[in-house]
Amino acid sequence: DTEVTQTPKHLVMGMTNKKSLKCEQHMGHRAMYWYKQKAKKPPELMFVYSYEKLSINESVPSRFSPECPNSSLLNLHLHALQPEDSALYLCASRAGAYNSPLHFGNGTRLTVT
Amino acid sequence: AQRVTQPEKLLSVFKGAPVELKCNYSYSGSPELFWYVQYSRQRLQLLLRHISRESIKGFTADLNKGETSFHLKKPFAQEEDSAMYYCALRGGSEKLVFGKGTKLTVNP
Repeated sequence: DTEVTQTPKHLVMGMTNKKSLKCEQHMGHRAMYWYKQKAKKPPELMFVYSYEKLSINESVPSRFSPECPNSSLLNLHLHALQPEDSALYLCASRAGAYNSPLHFGNGTRLTVT
Repeated sequence: AQRVTQPEKLLSVFKGAPVELKCNYSYSGSPELFWYVQYSRQRLQLLLRHISRESIKGFTADLNKGETSFHLKKPFAQEEDSAMYYCALRGGSEKLVFGKGTKLTVNP
């Protein structure tokens, strides 16, 4: 399995809802990432987990809460989001070797109403 | 600080013409540089990385440390090359930073 799988593909949620995005990889990669991508913009880094520990948080608001239950899974818990949080949320993983690339999932298209 | 600059937001060429997508970076150490491509309605995927020095889909990119550049080139563009291209840099940590991207359109 050489893919990063993200579920759901689409999500519509109200500002008072709680939802979660899920990401899974079975490539044995030890670093996992959450990026946010707005339309016609580059991906913006949100969080990085390295060996299941949070290593980078790019000053993301607390309404986004990441979780790494094990080395294959990455979740992003969402609560009290704003309409401006609507975006494509991308998960990626990476092996640890020098110059190893990120492998991206297809993303979850999130709409906050 | 890490910074990637892609000066062209849009680039349009005719089929069979050479194409060059520019990428300049700012980083004080030894960077890891990548080109990613995003075709319409497809996932972001790796095209090239500087360490491999290979040609993928006819594209090549050379790291020029003196000019702090990592330009992407292809001698003869094809219509299927039309996509969004991102240059990305990682410098000494897990953080991968993307440039703003160049949308390449190859006209028939």
